[in-house]
Amino acid sequence: AQKITQTQPGMFVQEKEAVTLDCTYDTSDQSYGLFWYKQPSSGEMIFLIYQGSYDEQNATEGRYSLNFQKARKSANLVISASQLGDSAMYFCAMREGLDTGGFKTIFGAGTRLFVKA
Amino acid sequence: NAGVTQTPKFQVLKTGQSMTLQCAQDMNHEYMSWYRQDPGMGLRLIHYSVGAGITDQGEVPNGYNVSRSTTEDFPLRLLSAAPSQTSVYFCASSQGAPPPYEQYFGPGTRLTVT
Repeated sequence: AQKITQTQPGMFVQEKEAVTLDCTYDTSDQSYGLFWYKQPSSGEMIFLIYQGSYDEQNATEGRYSLNFQKARKSANLVISASQLGDSAMYFCAMREGLDTGGFKTIFGAGTRLFVKA
Repeated sequence: NAGVTQTPKFQVLKTGQSMTLQCAQDMNHEYMSWYRQDPGMGLRLIHYSVGAGITDQGEVPNGYNVSRSTTEDFPLRLLSAAPSQTSVYFCASSQGAPPPYEQYFGPGTRLTVT
């Protein structure tokens, strides 16, 4: 069974510093995708970044990068130059079976990030 | 382009009542899902659909039914509400290809069962 683990229930970071949010996953599939979503206090879910299991380079989107270590089955999110608006809940998610049309997407329990001024 | 819409935004039910949470998307996405979000547990997948007429169970399907008669709509039915179903419910949709396959979420429905 697939599983997503986020071991940090809460994290603090100083404004303008970088922060890493951890995510490990468990799958026996070879073709899968990894996602990070942000949920501000307003409640909406915002897609941040995607990494495919066959992608050779780590994904980057602006201040977000995904540190993908396939052998360790980890997909950590790195936020550079933290801003007050980054304070939110962050979820790691995985979708298996991309090459066979798989769609089922499972989420981790989330990490709440607090950015201090 | 409204994206993913959900109705109602809030609902209070008594134990044993039934109701349907509505979800619609106007992006012609093949894939749609229902999640529930409880404190400390992230989002848990209830049911999902890979196209009209095709649905499957997720992690926590008991007590819920779905159907997908059109590409646009994916309603979630609570058959006999229980206090354990008090949660925030999110509907999401996604296209099949190409990457990044991200899901677009609705604003959520906050359900309380007393």
